Amino acid sequence: DAGVIQSPRHEVTEMGQEVTLRCKPISGHDYLFWYRQTMMRGLELLIYFNNNVPIDDSGMPEDRFSAKMPNASFSTLKIQPSEPRDSAVYFCASRSVAGELFFGEGSRLTVL
Amino acid sequence: DQQVKQNSPSLSVQEGRISILNCDYTNSMFDYFLWYKKYPAEGPTFLISISSIKDKNEDGRFTVFLNKSAKHLSLHIVPSQPGDSAVYFCAASRYYGGSQGNLIFGKGTKLSVKP
Repeated sequence: DAGVIQSPRHEVTEMGQEVTLRCKPISGHDYLFWYRQTMMRGLELLIYFNNNVPIDDSGMPEDRFSAKMPNASFSTLKIQPSEPRDSAVYFCASRSVAGELFFGEGSRLTVL
Repeated sequence: DQQVKQNSPSLSVQEGRISILNCDYTNSMFDYFLWYKKYPAEGPTFLISISSIKDKNEDGRFTVFLNKSAKHLSLHIVPSQPGDSAVYFCAASRYYGGSQGNLIFGKGTKLSVKP
C-alpha cells in the first residue's frame, strides 16, 4: 500500500483565497483524521471521520474551515477565506479500529 | 488546556549516550500512550507504545516507561545515534468499547544527536 497520500505538498496563496487540501487514506482504514501542526500548538486534531461520517469537529478553529469525506478513499479540508494565521502543516492520518495511526507527508500551507 | 505536555522543546545528546525524552499528562482517563517520531518534510511515524497495565515496554534501543501515579512517561534511547535526530511526539488516548480513542499529542521535543 502507498500509505496516506496528501496533496498538494506545498501551497502558497494570498489572504482571502480558498484553499483545498486533499487526502487519500490507506485502503481498509475506516478512521480518517485531519491534524494541523504549528510551532506554538504542536499537533492539533481538527476533525475526524469514521466510515465517512464526521464524528468530532470540535477542533476546527472557525467556520472558515470545513471538511468532507464523500467516500472511503477521499477527504478534503477546505479553508475559505484563508488568512495568514492559517499557515501551518496540515496532516491527514488514517487507521483501522484498533490499529496504529498512519500519517501522510503533510501539506505545508503558506498564506501571504 | 494542554492534556499532554512535553516541557522540553529540544534536547541535544552525544552519540552513544542515552537520550531521555519526557512527557506528562493530566487526564487520568488516558490508558494508552504512544511515541511518534518525525523527520523534516515527513509525517510522524509510530515508534513505540505502552498500555496503562504496564510500566515498561522495550523495543530494541527504545524503551518507554510509564509512571501512572505521577502521570508521567519517558522514552529512553540507548545508545543514541545521529539518525535518531528528529522531533519526538508523545501522544495519549483512551481505549473504550474495544476502540482506540483520539490521540492527543504533545508539542514535541526536537532531539539532536551529535556525532
